[in-house]
Amino acid sequence: DAKTTQPNSMESNEEEPVHLPCNHSTISGTDYIHWYRQLPSQGPEYVIHGLTSNVNNRMASLAIAEDRKSSTLILHRATLRDAAVYYCIRDNYGQNFVFGPGTRLSVLP
Amino acid sequence: DVKVTQSSRYLVKRTGEKVFLECVQDMDHENMFWYRQDPGLGLRLIYFSYDVKMKEKGDIPEGYSVSREKKERFSLILESASTNQTSMYLCASSEWGAGEKLFFGSGTQLSVL
Repeated sequence: DAKTTQPNSMESNEEEPVHLPCNHSTISGTDYIHWYRQLPSQGPEYVIHGLTSNVNNRMASLAIAEDRKSSTLILHRATLRDAAVYYCIRDNYGQNFVFGPGTRLSVLP
Repeated sequence: DVKVTQSSRYLVKRTGEKVFLECVQDMDHENMFWYRQDPGLGLRLIYFSYDVKMKEKGDIPEGYSVSREKKERFSLILESASTNQTSMYLCASSEWGAGEKLFFGSGTQLSVL
């Protein structure tokens, strides 16, 4: 089963950090963990991905548990433009990205 | 900038019609994907292709077929459209290999009446 588990929705205040959790308890040793987000009326866009180590880029940070059964996407300072559906996905060698329903993030001004 | 282009943003068809959804990418990517997105269900994979003339079924291939005659173009075909195929269709592409990013098109909202 290539699925991941995420909360249906989360809320954050503007300019506060947001931690979006994801469980992938059946992940295999070679599966990457990807995060994408989808703004209203757009296709999903890449946010970040990693394999074992924590990763940072200009958009976010990705913290991966030592046993790799879970991960957390961290938005350091949420803005109104970060309101979107966030998807956590296991990458089965780039051929079968399985998206779940994702987490709908609301950002309150 | 990388680009995945879907031929139509909105499409309205009648039940029983043959429908073609076209997707073109300009990044020389090996992998291409078709997803459909319905409220509350997230994205579901219909078909993907990892090379010209190659295709693999995803989670929900029934009622759909695909064609990839050229590397840059991946077509989704509804042989006989039905109302339960009304949905948002998203095309994506990626390079071959683990850890490669997916790039999505803007989507085609298909309504079958």
